[in-house]
Amino acid sequence: GAGVSQSPRYKVAKRGQDVALRCDPISGHVSLFWYQQALGQGPEFLTYFQNEAQLDKSGLPSDRFFAERPEGSVSTLKIQRTQQEDSAVYLCASSYRGHSTDTQYFGPGTRLTVL
Amino acid sequence: GQQLNQSPQSMFIQEGEDVSMNCTSSSIFNTWLWYKQDPGEGPVLLIALYKAGELTSNGRLTAQFGITRKDSFLNISASIPSDVGIYFCAGPFPTGGGNKLTFGTGTQLKVEL
Repeated sequence: GAGVSQSPRYKVAKRGQDVALRCDPISGHVSLFWYQQALGQGPEFLTYFQNEAQLDKSGLPSDRFFAERPEGSVSTLKIQRTQQEDSAVYLCASSYRGHSTDTQYFGPGTRLTVL
Repeated sequence: GQQLNQSPQSMFIQEGEDVSMNCTSSSIFNTWLWYKQDPGEGPVLLIALYKAGELTSNGRLTAQFGITRKDSFLNISASIPSDVGIYFCAGPFPTGGGNKLTFGTGTQLKVEL
């Protein structure tokens, strides 16, 4: 399929470990978004890229969270020194141009559990 | 934090019933989106609304953009088992938010046994 893919689908980390979550957007999509979804809640915005430029990182909860998209396609969300409150589903979405009327297509998410 | 409140929080349906849910905000939104999320999957866009008062249908789904721009409604007619899931309203952040979305609290649809 040509949808957004994310890996791994599930990740279990011990508190204090670093993790890296990968997102492969739909080919040709300029914009890429990361969202965090806590159990029983709606997704919450983390950060946004247009091509390789990170235009908005206002939703990143702490400086332990870092995202990159060096070549304007694949993106990685890194969480350093994970804490239990980081346990959530991390969703990636992409859109064609990034206009407000463009549909954001979501991947299946990575479920992170921090023990 | 989230700015959109959805009700009901959850509801049981029997096959064939019509379903209604709504979403309210303390801020004005210029776009309303309705997404459905199945277990283990990401949200999928169902309907997009761009104009106050707009009524848009997608098969058995009908959504309306409230006149005050602070609410939206989603109706599902003649529900079927595959309608089960979590429905989220969403919209671009109301002030200077660009394209990032804020999501509602969700309405979970369950099948009554």
